[in-house]
Amino acid sequence: QVQLQESGPGLVKPSQTLSLTCTVSGGSLISGGYYWTWIRQHPGKGLEWIGNTYYSGSTSYNPSLKSRVSISVDTSKNQFSLKLSSVTAADTAVYYCAREPIDWGQGTLVTVSS
Amino acid sequence: EIVLTQSPGTLSLSPGERATLSCRASQSVSSSFLAWYQQKPGQAPRLLIYGASSRATGIPDRFSGSGSGTDFTLTISRLEPEDFAVYYCQQYDSSPRTFGQGTKVEIK
Repeated sequence: QVQLQESGPGLVKPSQTLSLTCTVSGGSLISGGYYWTWIRQHPGKGLEWIGNTYYSGSTSYNPSLKSRVSISVDTSKNQFSLKLSSVTAADTAVYYCAREPIDWGQGTLVTVSS
Repeated sequence: EIVLTQSPGTLSLSPGERATLSCRASQSVSSSFLAWYQQKPGQAPRLLIYGASSRATGIPDRFSGSGSGTDFTLTISRLEPEDFAVYYCQQYDSSPRTFGQGTKVEIK
């Protein structure tokens, strides 16, 4: 079982880019053939899959966010990252990183507000 | 995109009772790639079941998963006080991955 920890700003201004990093410990991004995933949860709502990446760098995104989202991996740091551009208040949510489907980070609340 | 529909939306039961939660997919999902999660307020989701029927590490055997194709079920044989929570199913068979909308199991 690996541990995942999200990090990044908790407050982002509208129209800016949300950037989060997930640090993986207790295991390597390049082992086991897992997909490394970002998920979000709007306040009081259900879970929304944002996208995932494989250690090779291949990615897959939610069509509803595809034009604004980018996920990348840094195997040297055992990290993967999320960038979501042109954010609005509708992007306010708790953002989770996960090793699909087993391990999840604790989540980080990102608020979009001026 | 595979749409997952969970039912019921809310399940009101007493401790000791049996809970049966349903997850129906809009198209066939490989059983190897259907998961169930439990989420309590303020916490991250916790994996209960993967591969439709395999319990994750440390999950009590009162939790069981079954089903195939488009119909999957999570059963909690006897509800303990700590089991009252929201439960989500997820398919990770194809992209985009999708979640059900959740079933809340509340104390009656």
